[in-house]
Amino acid sequence: DQQVKQNSPSLSVQEGRISILNCDYTNSMFDYFLWYKKYPAEGPTFLISISSIKDKNEDGRFTVFLNKSAKHLSLHIVPSQPGDSAVYFCAAIYAGGTSYGKLTFGQGTILTVHP
Amino acid sequence: DGGITQSPKYLFRKEGQNVTLSCEQNLNHDAMYWYRQDPGQGLRLIYYSQIVNDFQKGDIAEGYSVSREKKESFPLTVTSAQKNPTAFYLCASRKGLVSGGELFFGEGSRLTVL
Repeated sequence: DQQVKQNSPSLSVQEGRISILNCDYTNSMFDYFLWYKKYPAEGPTFLISISSIKDKNEDGRFTVFLNKSAKHLSLHIVPSQPGDSAVYFCAAIYAGGTSYGKLTFGQGTILTVHP
Repeated sequence: DGGITQSPKYLFRKEGQNVTLSCEQNLNHDAMYWYRQDPGQGLRLIYYSQIVNDFQKGDIAEGYSVSREKKESFPLTVTSAQKNPTAFYLCASRKGLVSGGELFFGEGSRLTVL
């Protein structure tokens, strides 16, 4: 049962344009969401997070939007740069549960930013 | 600098052999995790440990074993019982009781079974 889904395996964007990566979840108990970025043969690095009490969190070129009623979150990258090309994972956690720290990850979306 | 160190980065093993992947952290984090990454499958949790001398099975624990004798160390053994061990393995840690805190990842170990 895939509780966190990233339905687009890949996304291709021109440099300077906006990249929008989407993520859907099914477990309404999730109350904290994170985005990770991963280059080949490296571990993922944390990018940005959002608590369920917010609907938007911004950090530089990266903004995460959360729509709780739709159980949907998205990551916007503006402007996109070639160095943003990587695999992006969204992850969710039920912070109030006994399995704190146990993140549930989506399958990942490969972002390619063309110069 | 604090961080998570995984070794070896690349490992080859013959079928039927056990192999142990090392994970050490100097972040003073309480919780540690092992994930496996396969193409198109995202990150799947193998085992996790919230405190020393305690660990729990994740979603795909069969064929794997772990120990947590020290706070800094969480080695993963891939046993011969694991049917498809070729994968990229990631170790992570987290402060522990902080609600919603992020995971910090090591650089990964790629295991190939010949």
